[in-house]
Amino acid sequence: DAGVTQSPTHLIKTRGQQVTLRCSPKSGHDTVSWYQQALGQGPQFIFQYYEEEERQRGNFPDRFSGHQFPNYSSELNVNALLLGDSALYLCASSLQGADGYTFGSGTRLTVV
Amino acid sequence: SQQGEEDPQALSIQEGENATMNCSYKTSINNLQWYRQNSGRGLVHLILIRSNEREKHSGRLRVTLDTSKKSSSLLITASRAADTASYFCATARGDSSYKLIFGSGTRLLVRP
Repeated sequence: DAGVTQSPTHLIKTRGQQVTLRCSPKSGHDTVSWYQQALGQGPQFIFQYYEEEERQRGNFPDRFSGHQFPNYSSELNVNALLLGDSALYLCASSLQGADGYTFGSGTRLTVV
Repeated sequence: SQQGEEDPQALSIQEGENATMNCSYKTSINNLQWYRQNSGRGLVHLILIRSNEREKHSGRLRVTLDTSKKSSSLLITASRAADTASYFCATARGDSSYKLIFGSGTRLLVRP
């Protein structure tokens, strides 16, 4: 049973570019959350998707957007990249109403 | 901003010794979870303790929760070199907030 799958694992982008990160949730999970983890820090909540809608959002600018597809997979889009967007981006899936989260291995984004 | 703060920020122990990490948080919670992260990769869920529980065990792990002091501790007994990792506490609030709020983590080094 596959866990959470994220792609790509590593990515290098230039300031001002746009990036799309992808996440496939664990089988049986219907909710996807995205987190940003800067080096040496704990993960910060970006947003959560359920039933293809953004259900809650953290303190991130509108440059960060997302989408959830009917098969529950999700994308995180970041526009107009800044150097400060360099981080590990983690996807976590869960089942609505349950407490447990399963995290993917993350996408390491470097903005140069 | 981070809800939880782990203490200590870094811990170095000898293999076989016990490791204790503490977490403090600020608001009321529904549950508190502990995660392990190896080398900046994905988070591995270790244990979840609900707000009405005071202690929980899982293998060599023991977690306590004191809601009156808004604090939790994670004890790893008989540590092994493979336990070397960063450990994070994360809280889920009780106000239908869907996000996990992470602390800044404790970096544990277990020397062989």
